[in-house]
Amino acid sequence: NAGVTQTPKFRVLKTGQSMTLLCAQDMNHEYMYWYRQDPGMGLRLIHYSVGEGTTAKGEVPDGYNVSRLKKQNFLLGLESAAPSQTSVYFCASSFPRGMLDYEQYFGPGTRLTVT
Amino acid sequence: EDKVVQSPLSLVVHEGDTVTLNCSYEVTNFRSLLWYKQEKKAPTFLFMLTSSGIEKKSGRLSSILDKKELFSILNITATQTGDSAIYLCAPSSAGYGNKLVFGAGTILRVKS
Repeated sequence: NAGVTQTPKFRVLKTGQSMTLLCAQDMNHEYMYWYRQDPGMGLRLIHYSVGEGTTAKGEVPDGYNVSRLKKQNFLLGLESAAPSQTSVYFCASSFPRGMLDYEQYFGPGTRLTVT
Repeated sequence: EDKVVQSPLSLVVHEGDTVTLNCSYEVTNFRSLLWYKQEKKAPTFLFMLTSSGIEKKSGRLSSILDKKELFSILNITATQTGDSAIYLCAPSSAGYGNKLVFGAGTILRVKS
């Protein structure tokens, strides 16, 4: 049981290049999330999904796109990278059990630098 | 707009000290409040609080929620160097997506 995994761990892009970050979870979770973390700003939600084939915008969605074609995978795309997208990206997953809340499980993060 | 404020932003203590971390929040459709610990990589879950006044404990860590005054505290007693981390407070919002709203975190450094 690997939990939540992210690929790649590190990446350096030049301005204007594109890339896709992959998140995979093996816990059969329904909900998946993409966050970015910048110094002094905590984690901010980019996009999220409540199930296969669904996506929704979070707090900071501009410049990013997502897809959830399979329940276990959640992809984050940058079509034209900008220096402002330099950050650490975390993926998380969770499954709401009835009326009880359920914590989010986080992946190890991807450190992205855009030059 | 949802808002989460954690204080202090950072602190340095010596091993054996007791620390109190604060979190105040204003979140639409508040449902519960979660605390996470973040060392070098992924945040790891500590507590989930849903009711006021019920203290949750795990070893030297404890936390309590006040839903009337909209704040939570995280206490760490007899601190150890392994407690050095960023502590994140995250209220959850009921509704579509069960989203969390994260504070900026408190950076704790425990010196030996």
